[in-house]
Amino acid sequence: RKEVEQDPGPFNVPEGATVAFNCTYSNSASQSFFWYRQDCRKEPKLLMSVYSSGNEDGRFTAQLNRASQYISLLIRDSKLSDSATYLCVVNLAGSARQLTFGSGTQLTVLP
Amino acid sequence: DAGVTQSPTHLIKTRGQHVTLRCSPISGHKSVSWYQQVLGQGPQFIFQYYEKEERGRGNFPDRFSARQFPNYSSELNVNALLLGDSALYLCASSLGTGGGQPQHFGDGTRLSIL
Repeated sequence: RKEVEQDPGPFNVPEGATVAFNCTYSNSASQSFFWYRQDCRKEPKLLMSVYSSGNEDGRFTAQLNRASQYISLLIRDSKLSDSATYLCVVNLAGSARQLTFGSGTQLTVLP
Repeated sequence: DAGVTQSPTHLIKTRGQHVTLRCSPISGHKSVSWYQQVLGQGPQFIFQYYEKEERGRGNFPDRFSARQFPNYSSELNVNALLLGDSALYLCASSLGTGGGQPQHFGDGTRLSIL
């Protein structure tokens, strides 16, 4: 079993749609959680951290369920510029800065 | 301010050769991590260095080595290159080793093995 598993993609949605990505992690000792965004042939960029109480940043909402070891990302009112691969990332307790990435979910927002 | 810089941007090597990749962290960042990303997968952790000491190592063979210099820049070395080493190699820096601190990635070095 992979340490971090994400929804299989790709997701193709029209502009203005709401889309949700899910992610599960296997290690209950995981301590920090993030969503990164990666454009084609570019480096990953931090989209947002994920907190236990859930958090929102504009059109983006992240949720964490520690009991189910589940993370989600909701994008409302999708824009063409949201087209990218979204990577679910966890950091194990005690593993310093070692980030464990999921394989990513590709999103294409269509005009 | 300059972000994380990596060099070279692209590199073509043949099997059996060795390669050195370089990374300069964001000014003030003391932690550097290296990741390998093969096509269609997420980045996979190789090494983490902090204050010139290795703080973490992923599941990679001994052909992979790294070091960090007093100015916090870092090198990743790969010996006896294999076709499977073809990947995007990413360097990330952060202020320290706290798990909640964001990592900032460089543009990466795209390594192709022929």
